[in-house]
Amino acid sequence: QKEVEQNSGPLSVPEGAIASLNCTYSDRGSQSFFWYRQYSGKSPELIMFIYSNGDKEDGRFTAQLNKASQYVSLLIRDSQPSDSATYLCADGTNAGKSTFGDGTTLTVKP
Amino acid sequence: NAGVMQNPRHLVRRRGQEARLRCSPMKGHSHVYWYRQLPEEGLKFMVYLQKENIIDESGMPKERFSAEFPKEGPSILRIQQVVRGDSAAYFCASSLGAGDSPLHFGNGTRLTVT
Repeated sequence: QKEVEQNSGPLSVPEGAIASLNCTYSDRGSQSFFWYRQYSGKSPELIMFIYSNGDKEDGRFTAQLNKASQYVSLLIRDSQPSDSATYLCADGTNAGKSTFGDGTTLTVKP
Repeated sequence: NAGVMQNPRHLVRRRGQEARLRCSPMKGHSHVYWYRQLPEEGLKFMVYLQKENIIDESGMPKERFSAEFPKEGPSILRIQQVVRGDSAAYFCASSLGAGDSPLHFGNGTRLTVT
């Protein structure tokens, strides 16, 4: 059974800092990973996906994948209060049946 | 260009009643997934459907829960004889394809069992 583990947090960073969110996965054969953001009481929304080893940048967000270490991370540069949310890491390899971590709650303090 | 539509947004049921949750996928999407989220917990996969077929129901309790995605109309998640432990947010998601496709989530149905 696939497992995805995330630091439970909560993680608190000051405005303008870099927030680093980490995730490990159990299935060495997994290929595709997604980061979703979920505001309190709302539905998850996709913010990044990564399929290849290395870094992928999109604006203030950078996803990193290290398949050898079975490790995925999300960096948020210049963090803003509006980034305060729960971030969900998902292993989406299994024919779309994504396995989610329990999420890391991020608070960005003004 | 509507996204994934779920209804109702909130549903209150007494113990023993039935709950029916509806989901219309994003236009052009034929893959539908149901997830459950308990308070302060992550999303747990329940079932994956395509039109008229259940592809994977490994996350769905064997009793009281059922799901369908008919040829016409929305996908339905049905919970019979609800118990307080069924209180949760139920999210439907759809995707364009099966493999490596990101999920697009609906706004969820918050079920409260009294």
